[in-house]
Amino acid sequence: AQSVTQLGSHVSVSEGALVLLRCNYSSSVPPYLFWYVQYPNQGLQLLLKYTTGATLVKGINGFEAEFKKSETSFHLTKPSAHMSDAAEYFCAVSPRGSQGNLIFGKGTKLSVKP
Amino acid sequence: SAVISQKPSRDICQRGTSLTIQCQVDSQVTMMFWYRQQPGQSLTLIATANQGSEATYESGFVIDKFPISRPNLTFSTLTVSNMSPEDSSIYLCSVNWGTEAFFGQGTRLTVV
Repeated sequence: AQSVTQLGSHVSVSEGALVLLRCNYSSSVPPYLFWYVQYPNQGLQLLLKYTTGATLVKGINGFEAEFKKSETSFHLTKPSAHMSDAAEYFCAVSPRGSQGNLIFGKGTKLSVKP
Repeated sequence: SAVISQKPSRDICQRGTSLTIQCQVDSQVTMMFWYRQQPGQSLTLIATANQGSEATYESGFVIDKFPISRPNLTFSTLTVSNMSPEDSSIYLCSVNWGTEAFFGQGTRLTVV
């Protein structure tokens, strides 16, 4: 079965520091990969996605992620954290591309200290 | 993109009652997905709803508890039946559009 593992349920960084949220997936074929952000009491917002092509993808709010097939990873990074980045982040895969549901990781709560 | 209108946005319900959640999409889509997000947890797929056929439920979810309707290509409902406090969660509908999944704003359900 497909699965998504997010290392660290809670990550805390200082404002201005690098943000690194880890995501590994298990899949027999390269799936579509996504990062979503959920602010308190709000819905899911797509940060970025990888489907095909360039393995380094840039998203909104300065986030980017790199698809590494050999490592089955899709880690999310941002060079400099802002207070407004504090939220829950979910990594997700779509094993059947655009034809199926998403499988979500357990989420990582990002805290940003002033 | 696809825009999904989901309602109600939140509700507080008595145990033993049922709540029906509605999702309206601004485009015709083949599949609609229903997810549950329990407090502090990730999203778990409840079922996939195709127009014109019965919904396909994931392990641990049954039709009697979560009946789904899909009368046309832009609308679906999920009913949470005979509710207990353990059903307190956020319920979300989702559709695929292009290579992206779009989500409703969610229904925050509290069962007392």
